[in-house]
Amino acid sequence: NAGVTQTPKFQVLKTGQSMTLQCAQDMNHEYMSWYRQDPGMGLRLIHYSVGAGITDQGEVPNGYNVSRSTTEDFPLRLLSAAPSQTSVYFCASSTSTSPGEAFFGQGTRLTVV
Amino acid sequence: GENVEQHPSTLSVQEGDSAVIKCTYSDSASNYFPWYKQELGKRPQLIIDIRSNVGEKKDQRIAVTLNKTAKHFSLHITETQPEDSAVYFCAASTDDKIIFGKGTRLHILP
Repeated sequence: NAGVTQTPKFQVLKTGQSMTLQCAQDMNHEYMSWYRQDPGMGLRLIHYSVGAGITDQGEVPNGYNVSRSTTEDFPLRLLSAAPSQTSVYFCASSTSTSPGEAFFGQGTRLTVV
Repeated sequence: GENVEQHPSTLSVQEGDSAVIKCTYSDSASNYFPWYKQELGKRPQLIIDIRSNVGEKKDQRIAVTLNKTAKHFSLHITETQPEDSAVYFCAASTDDKIIFGKGTRLHILP
């Protein structure tokens, strides 16, 4: 099993550009989440999903969209990138029986200039 | 909304001494309290967890305690070693999401 795979690993965007961060898991986990990590701020929940077709907002959802059309994939879309979205983004998955036992992807370092 | 407070933000201990990190949570629906370790440039990884019906759990040099009435939980590392140097995150999980604390950077001094 590859676990949780994120692409790309690094990305530089110009202000106003759009892009999608990809996340895929092959563990058949029901739950998937996106976090952003900034110095001194810990891991903040952006959006999460408890199954295909179901998504919900986390702590910092503004500026981001998600969809969950399949169990395996949970892409994160930035519609109009802003410098404040410069961060490291982590995707995570877990099972419905142990929702707090999260498996993380390797992260995407995004810089918006 | 849900909130997890974590203290201290930085902790330095002499090798061989103990380290304690404390957290509080606000959401009464939280029923699972995992701890994650993140080494520099790596992804967070689960090291230990405790469920709401348990007061204490131990795994070798690591122990966690939970006081559900006070909404406090803590991580104890004994006999610290250089490889314990990392950022540690506490978290509180409900049935559908995990909220993390801001992390504690642990330095093990030689």
